[in-house]
Amino acid sequence: GDSVTQMEGPVTLSEEAFLTINCTYTATGYPSLFWYVQYPGEGLQLLLKATKADDKGSNKGFEATYRKETTSFHLEKGSVQVSDSAVYFCALRSGGSYIPTFGRGTSLIVHP
Amino acid sequence: GAVVSQHPSWVICKSGTSVKIECRSLDFQATTMFWYRQFPKQSLMLMATSNEGSKATYEQGVEKDKFLINHASLTLSTLTVTSAHPEDSSFYICSATGTSGNNEQFFGPGTRLTVL
Repeated sequence: GDSVTQMEGPVTLSEEAFLTINCTYTATGYPSLFWYVQYPGEGLQLLLKATKADDKGSNKGFEATYRKETTSFHLEKGSVQVSDSAVYFCALRSGGSYIPTFGRGTSLIVHP
Repeated sequence: GAVVSQHPSWVICKSGTSVKIECRSLDFQATTMFWYRQFPKQSLMLMATSNEGSKATYEQGVEKDKFLINHASLTLSTLTVTSAHPEDSSFYICSATGTSGNNEQFFGPGTRLTVL
């Protein structure tokens, strides 16, 4: 079945540091890939997505590129802010399914 | 657009009581709604999928009689936790898909349930 593996957190960074959160997946066919962000006490918000190989999703300074050859969708940001502190979930959705498969989430803590 | 709300945002109840959580799509018609449960530092676990006017489809291991789901209209689904126990304490999140055809899910802000 489909699965998503994320690096374990927490990831702790200083403000303005470079961020990478690794995500790899296993799926049949050509899934769509997503990053969601969950701020403390809130539900999930879609951060960015990519629907086919080599697509780059981007939003709010975050980027992720759909790499079919390495089955990866790593999240990056060049300069993090304290306000980026949250839990980040990588997810995939196969074919016509409504239902994403989520990774376990990676907590990001950014210190001033 | 595509806003999903949940009410209440948090609730504390005594063991043995029932709690109802509402999920509403505010600016679109939700053909399908989903209920998830999230344990601390864990991913989301899909509990059930519901379509308006029909019975919910529960995931394996989720007790239908304990977690009652009603999807009475295209903008409202409710989850009732019956005879709640402390182990039911969790963060419950709903999501909804609309009629756009791209299957994108829009998530509610979640409800924190604490059972004493």
